[in-house]
Amino acid sequence: DAGITQSPRHKVTETGTPVTLRCHQTENHRYMYWYRQDPGHGLRLIHYSYGVKDTDKGEVSDGYSVSRSKTEDFLLTLESATSSQTSVYFCAISESYRTGANVLTFGAGSRLTVL
Amino acid sequence: KNEVEQSPQNLTAQEGEFITINCSYSVGISALHWLQQHPGGGIVSLFMLSSGKKKHGRLIATINIQEKHSSLHITASHPRDSAVYICAVVSYNTDKLIFGTGTRLQVFP
Repeated sequence: DAGITQSPRHKVTETGTPVTLRCHQTENHRYMYWYRQDPGHGLRLIHYSYGVKDTDKGEVSDGYSVSRSKTEDFLLTLESATSSQTSVYFCAISESYRTGANVLTFGAGSRLTVL
Repeated sequence: KNEVEQSPQNLTAQEGEFITINCSYSVGISALHWLQQHPGGGIVSLFMLSSGKKKHGRLIATINIQEKHSSLHITASHPRDSAVYICAVVSYNTDKLIFGTGTRLQVFP
């Protein structure tokens, strides 16, 4: 959808390799989030950002790092991918942190398979 | 026990039927979101509500804060309504979203 794009949309990689997923937004929203979606679980927050160079951990941050050098880009890096990181990853953006007062806009998702 | 529970997990319906999806939660919340996810697709926000009822087209969302319960209704269901519907609550204490596992709806012609 317009406003937020994720790349790559699909990736297959091997255990131990580094992987970077990119989220790009054109809405100039301050807050950006990375979630993972797995069967039997609701979406779970990995990391989020509240501004350029300002990031914080979510509930499932182990094995992941993030960077935000520009307002529009939020990168999620798996330094050494493991099979447990096989998942669908969603980026989301919002105008403010108060998700109770603001609607989240989600990207289309990135399906990652770690063999 | 999950903090957000949705029921049913799976739902099939014939075109034209009235659909109800339920969401119960156990934490104090400041708002509740209903989201829609089509197969292989992204996630779209349908409603955000903190009290009462909201309506958009054939979709109606209600919330009862005292009972910690919300419902999503679809009137005159159509095959294009087939999707996973996700309830998410905003924790009053942490201001973070807690997601349910979703209800998979299939509407047959």
